[in-house]
Amino acid sequence: EIVLTQSPGTLSLSPGERATLSCRASQSVSSNYLAWYQQKPGQAPRLLIYGASSRATGIPDRFSGSGSGTDFTLTIDRLEPEDFAVYYCQHYGSSLITFGQGTRLEIK
Amino acid sequence: QVQLVESGGSVVKPGGSLRLSCAASGLTFSDYNMSWLRQAPGKGLEWLAYISSGGSTIYYADSVKGRFSISRDNAKNSLFLQMNSLRAEDTAVYYCARRLKLGKRLYDGMDVWGHGTTVTVSS
Repeated sequence: EIVLTQSPGTLSLSPGERATLSCRASQSVSSNYLAWYQQKPGQAPRLLIYGASSRATGIPDRFSGSGSGTDFTLTIDRLEPEDFAVYYCQHYGSSLITFGQGTRLEIK
Repeated sequence: QVQLVESGGSVVKPGGSLRLSCAASGLTFSDYNMSWLRQAPGKGLEWLAYISSGGSTIYYADSVKGRFSISRDNAKNSLFLQMNSLRAEDTAVYYCARRLKLGKRLYDGMDVWGHGTTVTVSS
């Protein structure tokens, strides 16, 4: 089972700044199978990125994903007030799906 | 528009059973692989079970294997989760979600989620 570890646990930034969130896998993963989600309180998660770097439908281009192997990054340029939320990475394995523990992006 | 609506959550005693449903609309349900996931209060996301579009392939997380059962009725555009031997640690919001499919290719993301249904296991 691949374990995903996200860092930092909490990131404190101001609107307009750039956020860089990390997701590290315990084993190399196919970049076709790494996704990122945003979740706001009381809401279901929203798919942001699939295939490590492809934006889902309707996601602003200030969100970008990169990485390969064991290290993946979600970058959010020019933070907007609505971007402050919890972010999860997720991997589809051969027979199971795993999530990272999440990174909380909070307003500084 | 594409929509998933979960139902069936309630308060149940430890050791009890519950059946959750997920009604799909606005999509060709039989084309899509589906999952159940949950989120305990104040915790992260946990995947529970996955079923292929035709129901022939099913996977479970170790935490629910042998207790939970996923199924679907494509004629009724519905997904189900039968939960038995419930424990306090099963208390959570339960979501159904659709696996992203573009053309005939499957991707890793889940692009449509329901709003969730709450299960509380308590005596």
